Amino acid sequence: AQSVTQLDSQVPVFEEAPVELRCNYSSSVSVYLFWYVQYPNQGLQLLLKYLSGSTLVESINGFEAEFNKSQTSFHLRKPSVHISDTAEYFCAVSDLFGSEKLVFGKGTKLTVNP
Amino acid sequence: DAGVIQSPRHEVTEMGQEVTLRCKPISGHNSLFWYRQTMMRGLELLIYFNNNVPIDDSGMPEDRFSAKMPNASFSTLKIQPSEPRDSAVYFCASSLRGTGQGKTQYFGPGTRLLVL
Repeated sequence: AQSVTQLDSQVPVFEEAPVELRCNYSSSVSVYLFWYVQYPNQGLQLLLKYLSGSTLVESINGFEAEFNKSQTSFHLRKPSVHISDTAEYFCAVSDLFGSEKLVFGKGTKLTVNP
Repeated sequence: DAGVIQSPRHEVTEMGQEVTLRCKPISGHNSLFWYRQTMMRGLELLIYFNNNVPIDDSGMPEDRFSAKMPNASFSTLKIQPSEPRDSAVYFCASSLRGTGQGKTQYFGPGTRLLVL
């Protein structure tokens, strides 16, 4: 069975500062990894995903995440955040085979202050 | 393409009443998931279907909750009778298995349920 740990429940930063949201997973098999974003009063939107190939994946709005198999991590980074990035971010994992379920972390609330 | 559609978007009801939440998955998707989100418990998977068949309902809290998927384009989640502790945001998500998308789930906007 998989599990996901998001170490920080809340991350406050100033606008234009860099940010890293941490995600560690546990699995005995190969995995797919996801980051979802939830803006206030909205559903979850896929931000980026790692399926295979390059371990560095990017989103269209400047976020990137790197799959590190040895450290079982998939941290999300952005070099310069905007006020509009304020949202809750969820890391999720699924194994390559078997169940269709995604296992989600508890989320990290990112607040970008002016 | 239309995303996952959920109705109603908001529901306010009184304790003891029946509540029915509806979901239309993305056309062509063959897996459907029902989640519940609360401040206390976060995001919880209630049940999921594959090809209209319930595969895992271990997250359904109790017999008051039931879910059906009569066809590939429609699913319902019913709570009867409803209780104040059922107040939450309920999300539906869908995915397409076996296409190289790696089990990516696409979420609807949610139904915000308040049971008084």
